Amino acid sequence: QSALTQPASVSGSPGQSITISCTGTSSDVGGYNYVSWYQQHPGKAPKLMIYEVSNRPSGVSNRFSGSKSGDTASLTISGLLAEDEADYYCSSYTSSSTRVFGTGTKVTVL
Amino acid sequence: QVQLVESGGGVVQPGGSLRLSCAASGLTFSYYGMHWVRQAPGKGLEWVAYIRSDGSNKDYADSLKGRITISRDNSKNTLYVQMNSLRAEDTAVYYCVTDLRYLFEYWGQGTLVTVSS
Repeated sequence: QSALTQPASVSGSPGQSITISCTGTSSDVGGYNYVSWYQQHPGKAPKLMIYEVSNRPSGVSNRFSGSKSGDTASLTISGLLAEDEADYYCSSYTSSSTRVFGTGTKVTVL
Repeated sequence: QVQLVESGGGVVQPGGSLRLSCAASGLTFSYYGMHWVRQAPGKGLEWVAYIRSDGSNKDYADSLKGRITISRDNSKNTLYVQMNSLRAEDTAVYYCVTDLRYLFEYWGQGTLVTVSS
């Protein structure tokens, strides 16, 4: 149950687009379309942003989008806003019927 | 609206035990699978355990297997986790989270467990 690999940090200027990668294996990310993404502001509980690779829950801005290619999933934030500054985590269902999170990425808005 | 309220956290000595609870409201609790997820101070999220909506299936993280037991009482809309043989590295905020379709949908605010002598 090794954590999925994410970059430790990603930054961008307001209005720009950034992409966060999430790399796993064929036993998790590559094997299932059950990849989801979470946003966490300091001191707060995580919030679901994307589920089943590319679906947005009601109320989540369409500036957030997800995709997957092979064993790597990606979260793209377009039109970056100051409020997007937070930690982001991916997660996947696994072949062991467990769940695994990514290592987390700190997004900084310059 | 959906509310998940964890309780039972606190300070416990190494080797000790603790039972956390999560009271759910605003949803049909018996429809949802439930997870415990933890986050050590300044660290990332770690999945801990899962229980199916009817309690018939349970899964655990390898790092905790044998030391924890997840359970639920659908008549009381409450989720539990019993943690034994606690170690310093178990110090974390523990969140209860709903699961309807292989995703972590609704999160509680968490309860802090500190393992220290």
